[in-house]
Amino acid sequence: GAGVSQSPSNKVTEKGKDVELRCDPISGHTALYWYRQSLGQGLEFLIYFQGNSAPDKSGLPSDRFSAERTGGSVSTLTIQRTQQEDSAVYLCASSLAQGHEQYFGPGTRLTVT
Amino acid sequence: GQQLNQSPQSMFIQEGEDVSMNCTSSSIFNTWLWYKQDPGEGPVLLIALYKAGELTSNGRLTAQFGITRKDSFLNISASIPSDVGIYFCAGLTSGTYKYIFGTGTRLKVLA
Repeated sequence: GAGVSQSPSNKVTEKGKDVELRCDPISGHTALYWYRQSLGQGLEFLIYFQGNSAPDKSGLPSDRFSAERTGGSVSTLTIQRTQQEDSAVYLCASSLAQGHEQYFGPGTRLTVT
Repeated sequence: GQQLNQSPQSMFIQEGEDVSMNCTSSSIFNTWLWYKQDPGEGPVLLIALYKAGELTSNGRLTAQFGITRKDSFLNISASIPSDVGIYFCAGLTSGTYKYIFGTGTRLKVLA
């Protein structure tokens, strides 16, 4: 079946502009995660959605970052007034439920010039 | 954030050799996952482990959930050039949802 998909695959934006990144989780998966991976670094947790519960936003690095998940499916990660340090690969993952294995999307490579 | 200790950090091996890597933690986990990430791609799940002592294979890959529940091991037998990539472990404590990720092992296979 279809895996996790993300769009766009690459995004180049000018400093100060807003960007929206999209994640389509595996159908039926109730848990959705966003991570950030900087060049050569590990995975940095950003935000977690589980069903209709309030999301865990504790990993968002600043108030310029926000995310929503509509209808318990598609999620968008928004970065306002982008900065050069926001350049990274943004990965989305979904799992059937809390405690189950996570499946990752291909990521969105964001470059802020 | 918290990370698991993963070793080795990198390794060069000859094609056909067996490879071993491990992850260790100061915390007890109830789930261990192993992923492979190729350049420009997202991590791909290789093996999931849910029980202490469990040994699970996926082709030439074998992973074990350590008895102490604080470590896990991944072995690759008879390596081939396409095994090149970064291997990550991830651990999860029961009742939580935040996976803790290893620092990664970068594998390079010499033909």
